[in-house]
Amino acid sequence: DVKVTQSSRYLVKRTGEKVFLECVQDMDHENMFWYRQDPGLGLRLIYFSYDVKMKEKGDIPEGYSVSREKKERFSLILESASTNQTSMYLCGSKTYNEQFFGPGTRLTVL
Amino acid sequence: AQSVTQPDIHITVSEGASLELRCNYSYGATPYLFWYVQSPGQGLQLLLKYFSGDTLVQGIKGFEAEFKRSQSSFNLRKPSVHWSDAAEYFCAVGVSNDYKLSFGAGTTVTVRA
Repeated sequence: DVKVTQSSRYLVKRTGEKVFLECVQDMDHENMFWYRQDPGLGLRLIYFSYDVKMKEKGDIPEGYSVSREKKERFSLILESASTNQTSMYLCGSKTYNEQFFGPGTRLTVL
Repeated sequence: AQSVTQPDIHITVSEGASLELRCNYSYGATPYLFWYVQSPGQGLQLLLKYFSGDTLVQGIKGFEAEFKRSQSSFNLRKPSVHWSDAAEYFCAVGVSNDYKLSFGAGTTVTVRA
């Protein structure tokens, strides 16, 4: 089975802090992604990576950056966290016809 | 760009009763369609998907969905709901060879005894 893990299930940070969210997949998938999930809005794509060191902006990239130095790891970075970035963050990897998700990180920015 | 509408924010159903969740999509060509389930505190799990062929698709946990091109719909059904089906359900649409899925806002299902 494909396994996607995220470094934290719950995270509390303060406004202005730099935040790193880590995502690791064990199935050698080339494609990885980050979504944020908010009530009433569903999932919105932040960034996508289709290979090591390759990235593409999704629908809501503002305030976020990403890093993909190794195939199995895709990191989401909040350079200066703000309260409107309080959300559930879901990462995962993708084959040709299916996306696999991690358990999510619930981030609270105070 | 494609989009997805799930008209029902919340549905309450009795255990053993049937369940139908609605999903409408907007896209000019034949889309790839998905249903995901998210149990409390969990990530998303794929229930079923439609790419082509038979318009009635069988999934895991006893779910099925029917693609109706004329109605731009991909409704999810289950004949008899179990308490463990209480969760949030997301419909998603994608296009061939595109990395991006567009998700609906989700439908929360509550199962009463």
